[in-house]
Amino acid sequence: DTAVSQTPKYLVTQMGNDKSIKCEQNLGHDTMYWYKQDSKKFLKIMFSYNNKELIINETVPNRFSPKSPDKAHLNLHINSLELGDSAVYFCASRLTGSSYEQYFGPGTRLTVT
Amino acid sequence: AQTVTQSQPEMSVQEAETVTLSCTYDTSESNYYLFWYKQPPSRQMILVIRQEAYKQQNATENRFSVNFQKAAKSFSLKISDSQLGDTAMYFCAFLYGNKLVFGAGTILRVKS
Repeated sequence: DTAVSQTPKYLVTQMGNDKSIKCEQNLGHDTMYWYKQDSKKFLKIMFSYNNKELIINETVPNRFSPKSPDKAHLNLHINSLELGDSAVYFCASRLTGSSYEQYFGPGTRLTVT
Repeated sequence: AQTVTQSQPEMSVQEAETVTLSCTYDTSESNYYLFWYKQPPSRQMILVIRQEAYKQQNATENRFSVNFQKAAKSFSLKISDSQLGDTAMYFCAFLYGNKLVFGAGTILRVKS
């Protein structure tokens, strides 16, 4: 009965490759997020979708493209991977109008070599 | 811009003792939400406690409580009766619009 799940949990790839990370939530939430945690553990929001509509798009290279096929899924596709993309990527979700708490997935550790 | 500052990069405490983690934030909003998240070595982000700015009463969750000083824009976390399982990175976060803004985190080590 996982609330927010991400696949894969670990991803090792070479520079220049294209990769995707998937996120699914079964909480009935309507808003989903992608956060990036860098090597110094600093967490920063990247994107947010509400009911499949993009509502937050921070200053992120356009090599990163989120896609939300429905309210329960938010995927992150990364083109032409660079060394600096190595990080842990967290998906999160929440129900608008509720207690404002965001529920986080387990994270995906991306290593670019 | 909304900013969150955690001035203590690392802290340690003896088991069963009490420890307080500091957090200050900057905002011109009057209504907002504040959170403390815990990230153990498993890297899962776990909500510890939340505070609504319009509530004067400090939030409490079992051994965890906050000291919310709205005028001073301060939101510290007190952990009582520290346990080994409390060893983790603790993040203070401010909800701005629809997004969380995080502090840099404080590593807490509980020693036996």
